[in-house]
Amino acid sequence: QQQVKQSPQSLIVQKGGISIINCAYENTAFDYFPWYQQFPGKGPALLIAIRPDVSEKKEGRFTISFNKSAKQFSLHIMDSQPGDSATYFCAASPSNTGNQFYFGTGTSLTVIP
Amino acid sequence: EPEVTQTPSHQVTQMGQEVILRCVPISNHLYFYWYRQILGQKVEFLVSFYNNEISEKSEIFDDQFSVERPDGSNFTLKIRSTKLEDSAMYFCASKSFPFGQGSWGEQFFGPGTRLTVL
Repeated sequence: QQQVKQSPQSLIVQKGGISIINCAYENTAFDYFPWYQQFPGKGPALLIAIRPDVSEKKEGRFTISFNKSAKQFSLHIMDSQPGDSATYFCAASPSNTGNQFYFGTGTSLTVIP
Repeated sequence: EPEVTQTPSHQVTQMGQEVILRCVPISNHLYFYWYRQILGQKVEFLVSFYNNEISEKSEIFDDQFSVERPDGSNFTLKIRSTKLEDSAMYFCASKSFPFGQGSWGEQFFGPGTRLTVL
């Protein structure tokens, strides 16, 4: 059973463009939704996270949009740069316990100069 | 900035051998995790550990796996008899108490240990 579904699997964007990655979840107990960025040979690193009490969170060029009724959330990368080329994982977790993260399948982003 | 460290960075072993992967979580963190990532696939949860006991484990974490916090700083994952399909990158992560200062529940990941089973 796939708890978190992520799309697309890969994405190619021109420098300066907007990258959009989408995730959907089923478990209504999830209340913490982080996005992790992973470069080759490195561990995942937290990029930005959101709780469902807000519909949007912005940090610099990165924005999470959250739709609680649809159980969907997305990552928008504005003014995409070649240095953003990495694999992005969405995840979900019930944050009031020590429970596991359920990761999406990942999106490989390539930003072309 | 505090970080999670893992050793070794790469471990090569023969099928059937025991391996121990080591992690040093961030010092004031109380929740510890192991995840694995088979090449090109998603990160998968193995086990979480809190208050010196396993709090949750996945179906991947069978009797061949065990975890231990032998002292106040290390957190280890042992695979008793490795199989070819255990070849993966293994990530350790840690998290502060959820109602502590700052984060809502961020898990900090180490750089990983690449395990190759021949």
